[in-house]
Amino acid sequence: DGGITQSPKYLFRKEGQNVTLSCEQNLNHDAMYWYRQDPGQGLRLIYYSQIVNDFQKGDIAEGYSVSREKKESFPLTVTSAQKNPTAFYLCASSVGQGRDSGANVLTFGAGSRLTVL
Amino acid sequence: AQTVTQSQPEMSVQEAETVTLSCTYDTSESDYYLFWYKQPPSRQMILVIRQEAYKQQNATENRFSVNFQKAAKSFSLKISDSQLGDAAMYFCAYRSGGGYQKVTFGTGTKLQVIP
Repeated sequence: DGGITQSPKYLFRKEGQNVTLSCEQNLNHDAMYWYRQDPGQGLRLIYYSQIVNDFQKGDIAEGYSVSREKKESFPLTVTSAQKNPTAFYLCASSVGQGRDSGANVLTFGAGSRLTVL
Repeated sequence: AQTVTQSQPEMSVQEAETVTLSCTYDTSESDYYLFWYKQPPSRQMILVIRQEAYKQQNATENRFSVNFQKAAKSFSLKISDSQLGDAAMYFCAYRSGGGYQKVTFGTGTKLQVIP
């Protein structure tokens, strides 16, 4: 079945450490996204990528980095510069352009919960 | 920048009754898409319903329908014959039309279904 796989589901990090969250999709989607979810704040966009080797900052990119070397993969690194990294992280993808019923709809992974000790 | 506002942090509904969740948005664009996503306790986000701004007809998906008021920039979700499985967080979302664009979410409404 096609979908998005995020790993790990739970991750613990000590302060000062970088960690990388994995996101892989087999939907052949062009666009991929990373969102952060905190209680009472909804989903906030960290980074998004429209095509391979290209990505743009979202609303809260500071302290995060991404890469898009393959269409299927969009890993997120939470660096030590992120002051409050404890959160639930959601990866998503979409077909992107077009006006058919499937266009622009986000498909989400199951999420990764990061806790800083 | 576009903003999406959900003014109801929590709502409750009796099983089999109807409930309406509110959403307003702010934009200067005429071409855009609006969505309602559901996040159950498993935290797996799924699409509930989608509306294109250029379509005047309100979208419906089985027990779910929207009331899209473009001039008022309002996009409410109506859930009819509520079921226990409808209990979840519901997020309203906005996306600009044309090309690749980011999706902006509201803060969510937690829906409780009372047996």
